[in-house]
Formats: sequence, structure tokens, C-alpha cells
Amino acid sequence: EVQLVESGGALIQPGGSLRLSCAASGFTVSNNYISWVRQAPGRGLEWVSILSGGGTYYADSVKGRFTISKDNSKNTVYLQMNSLRAEDTAVYYCARNVLPPMFQFDIWGQGTLVTVSS
Amino acid sequence: EVVMTQSPATLSVSPGERATLSCRASQSVSSSLAWYQQKPGQAPRLLIYGASTRATGIPARFSGSGSGTEFTLTISSLQSEDFAVYYCQQYNNWPPLTFGGGTKVEIK
Repeated sequence: EVQLVESGGALIQPGGSLRLSCAASGFTVSNNYISWVRQAPGRGLEWVSILSGGGTYYADSVKGRFTISKDNSKNTVYLQMNSLRAEDTAVYYCARNVLPPMFQFDIWGQGTLVTVSS
Repeated sequence: EVVMTQSPATLSVSPGERATLSCRASQSVSSSLAWYQQKPGQAPRLLIYGASTRATGIPARFSGSGSGTEFTLTISSLQSEDFAVYYCQQYNNWPPLTFGGGTKVEIK
């Protein structure tokens, strides 16, 4: 079965760091593009970052603080989040992008909750 | 950045009725548009891509249309399981990949 499973969400203080994991099964992350998308409580969807064939890209709201990476041997994508702020509080989903030219998110994980609060 | 605007924010519809949701892009995104359905406590689910192609397993009552800057998602006859929030998303000009603010379809 093709699926993504996130983990690593937690309650963290402002200024702290956290690493989220996204484990893939049924396909290999090395041959696919993977994004992180977040959803603040009661709000809409916000794209955060993508690991693509052309490199890594970030939303302006997280640039310089978040880093996306992957471990092909573990078939897992990570999101390292530093200097966390209250406004980073959200459910974080990882999602697979269909390869270009079509680029929609076809597979989503169940999400992991990150709460930034003192 | 391409800004996606959805309307209305909330749509009240009776079961069996037709629902029409709109999505507008701040600049042309060609046909590079997807629609997602999200139910409470669940991850989004892909419904439509390429503006009008249904994803695998999506019922025929869901249809998408439009190109350029104006798009529509139509649900021909609402079933109980269709009451949810719907998001459009463009992937023509990125980064960033951008979503609309969502339309909540509720029971009238």
C-alpha cells in the first residue's frame, strides 16, 4: 500500500527546535518529490517546503528556519524546524507531489501536531 | 506569488442538490489546478487535477472546469459524505505552491 506516515510532533517552547519525520511505503522517496504542508488550528492549508529533483524550496514564512532533507536508506523525509514561533503551531502533513508537468499532491499522511507555546 | 481566492466561504446545500464552488487565481495558472476535499480530523484528499481530471476512485458526481484564472468545482447531487471543506491549489507557478482559503459545504 502506498502511504506516508508522519511522526515527531510535540509541544515545544518558542525558540525551540523539532524534527518531523515522514516515512514512505509503497514507493521510494528517492524517485519522488515530497512536500510538507501545514494547517493551523481552524485555518486553511499552507505549503511549507518541497524536496524536488531540482532542489529544496521553502515558503517565505519558514525560510532560514526550516530545513527539508531525506534519507533514502530509510525511505524517509525530514523537516528540521528551528527558532519555532507561536505561529508555527499547526498540523504538519507530508504529501507526495506527482512528477512534473502535473504537480498535484496525490498522497497525504495523516498529519502530526506541533504546538509552540510556553 | 499566485493568490488563490475561493468563493463562497460557506455554501449551504440540501442533500441531492447541486453545489458549485469557485476558485480564482490572481494570474493565469493555465490548467495547473487541483481540488481537494477535507473532512474534520482527516488529511486532504485529491479530487481533481489538471482542472478537470478526476483522481482515481473519485465519483463522477464531482467535476471540474475552467482554465486561466477562473475555475469551478461542481458536485452534481450532494451525498451525505460530501459535506466537507474544499480547497483549490495551483501548481503552475511555484514556489510557492498556493492554496485557496477553502469553501465549507454544509447541510442546509
